Amino acid sequence: SYELTQPPSVAVSPGHTAIITCSGDNLGDKYVCWYQQKPGQSPVLVIQQDDRRPSGISERFSGSNSGNTDTLMISGTQAMDEADYYCQAWDSRAVIFGGGTELTVL
Amino acid sequence: QLQLQESGPGLVKPSETLSLTCSVSGGSISTNSYYWGWVRQPPGKGLEWIGSIVYSGRTYYNTSLKSRITISADTSKNQFSLKLSSVTAADTAVYYCARLAVSGHVLYFFDYWSQGTLVTVSS
Repeated sequence: SYELTQPPSVAVSPGHTAIITCSGDNLGDKYVCWYQQKPGQSPVLVIQQDDRRPSGISERFSGSNSGNTDTLMISGTQAMDEADYYCQAWDSRAVIFGGGTELTVL
Repeated sequence: QLQLQESGPGLVKPSETLSLTCSVSGGSISTNSYYWGWVRQPPGKGLEWIGSIVYSGRTYYNTSLKSRITISADTSKNQFSLKLSSVTAADTAVYYCARLAVSGHVLYFFDYWSQGTLVTVSS
């Protein structure tokens, strides 16, 4: 079955850019989205269709694709960005989630 | 503003059937523009897609759970439901219902989520 691979954790200093990757076979042929989930809360869509930001999401969030890897970037990272981040794609009639990345703002 | 709210027991005995209903307000489930789905999250773990349904009844299921899942929609009540049979402790999780944007037969992203409900499987 299809898999999306994310690093378990990423650490970033406040004000710097956080980079979270999501890798999968032929990922460039699929649309990827990203969710932010803070403790005790429901996931929130922050990037849809690789690089589109939903209404109400900060411009500090951006997404991109290069080959088999999609990337979520958070510029000017703030303490409020500390959360788990999940990528998601559609493959073979199934929704696939990545394992999630815990973002720590040091 | 679209809102989704789950309802159902928070405690289910092993080998029994977990049943949850998601009530949708602020919008109709009777549209081909969206599927409606269930996602769960075991304590301390990641997100797992369970399955999704469009109002006409077409469904997609997680193959690892397919033999135990039934997802249905009731357009008259603007609700959709999940039944998961033969549950074990491994099914203990927070269960979310959510709206899934689609184009044709490609399901893209979940844009509205419920608050989630913890279902514990225990005797």
